[in-house]
This record gives sequence, structure tokens and C-alpha cells, in this order.
Amino acid sequence: EPEVTQTPSHQVTQMGQEVILRCVPISNHLYFYWYRQILGQKVEFLVSFYNNEISEKSEIFDDQFSVERPDGSNFTLKIRSTKLEDSAMYFCASGQTSYEQYFGPGTRLTVT
Amino acid sequence: ELKVEQNPLFLSMQEGKNYTIYCNYSTTSDRLYWYRQDPGKSLESLFVLLSNGAVKQEGRLMASLDTKARLSTLHITAAVHDLSATYFCAVSMNRDDKIIFGKGTRLHILP
Repeated sequence: EPEVTQTPSHQVTQMGQEVILRCVPISNHLYFYWYRQILGQKVEFLVSFYNNEISEKSEIFDDQFSVERPDGSNFTLKIRSTKLEDSAMYFCASGQTSYEQYFGPGTRLTVT
Repeated sequence: ELKVEQNPLFLSMQEGKNYTIYCNYSTTSDRLYWYRQDPGKSLESLFVLLSNGAVKQEGRLMASLDTKARLSTLHITAAVHDLSATYFCAVSMNRDDKIIFGKGTRLHILP
């Protein structure tokens, strides 16, 4: 069964560094999402992406964040200058329609 | 602003019992999701509810939606230990791809 994959599973970075989190959505899906979950807390929406552009973004998704779908298969989240409070689990999700979302296994980002 | 409230946030129950988790939301919505999350794992989609009166069932779990009351319920029948997990409801606003999650209900089923 096809599934969303994410790499790396765990990323440790120093404050102020740039990180890129990678996701490979399910191949025929058209809708793509990033969420984050700070340890033990609720899941927070970051951004949705459809038709090669951002369709919605949250207040968390400020100028430090960007997304790309560089080659038609990968979907990346870049954080330009990481802060301690960016430490979280980052989940990618994809869907064939806007009514479904299949989540990847997540990338644990630790900012030191 | 769309707000999603779940209760209870923590539930400990005996195997074999029935219980209901409630999800209230603050503005009109065109879809409501229920997810399961095991510790340290990703989110597993359980149900998507799209219309008033929608009811879906899978095994011992049944979800329903009342859009007029802005309320969804997740009912657990004859709980078993394997259902121990955190359950999230999530809601999107009409024609909006932004999805807001509740805080989750941590369900612990005692054998």
C-alpha cells in the first residue's frame, strides 16, 4: 500500500541554522500539507499546498518558513533560521482530494 | 477564528465498557476528521464526516456529526486494550484547506 515517507526521521540542528525537511507524498496525490506537534501537545497546521502554490497557511508559518515541490515528487519544508521553539515533530500529509489526508511518519526536529 | 474543543482530555476506562469522546467546534465547517495517534507515532485517519447526521463505524468505534450543534462524537463500544491511544478530532472551515486540531483525548484502557 502506498504511503507518505519523510526524511530524516530525526534532525538535530543548532539555533540559527537552516533545515530542510523532506517528504515524498503518495504519487497520485494533489494536496499536500505540513503540520507540527510539539511534544505532548496538539497538532498544529502549518501550510497547505495545491497546484504548485500555497493555498492556506497559519500564523506559525511566517517568513522563516517556506515550502517547495521541486521535482514533482518531493515536498519540502525549509526553516531558514531555526529557533529553540521550532523543536517539534513535523508531519507531512497528502491527499488525492481535499477531503482526505494521509500522514507520514514524521521528522523529529531538535534545535539546540 | 475556528476553535476545536475536545473532552475529556484524559480517559481511563475498563475493558468492556462503553464511552464517548466529544468534539465541539466554534464555526461552520464542511468536514470533520477523527485521527488516532499511538505514542511516538504518526496520525492514522479513522473517519472523515462530511454532512449533518453522518455516522461512520469501524469495528468498536463509531463517529457521528451534528453540524447544527457543531458537535461530533466518537463512541467506543466494549473497549479493548488495543484501543489505548490519543484520539484527535480536527475541523476545517468551509472551502478552506486549513485544518484545526483539538487537544486530543488520551484514552487508557485497563485490562
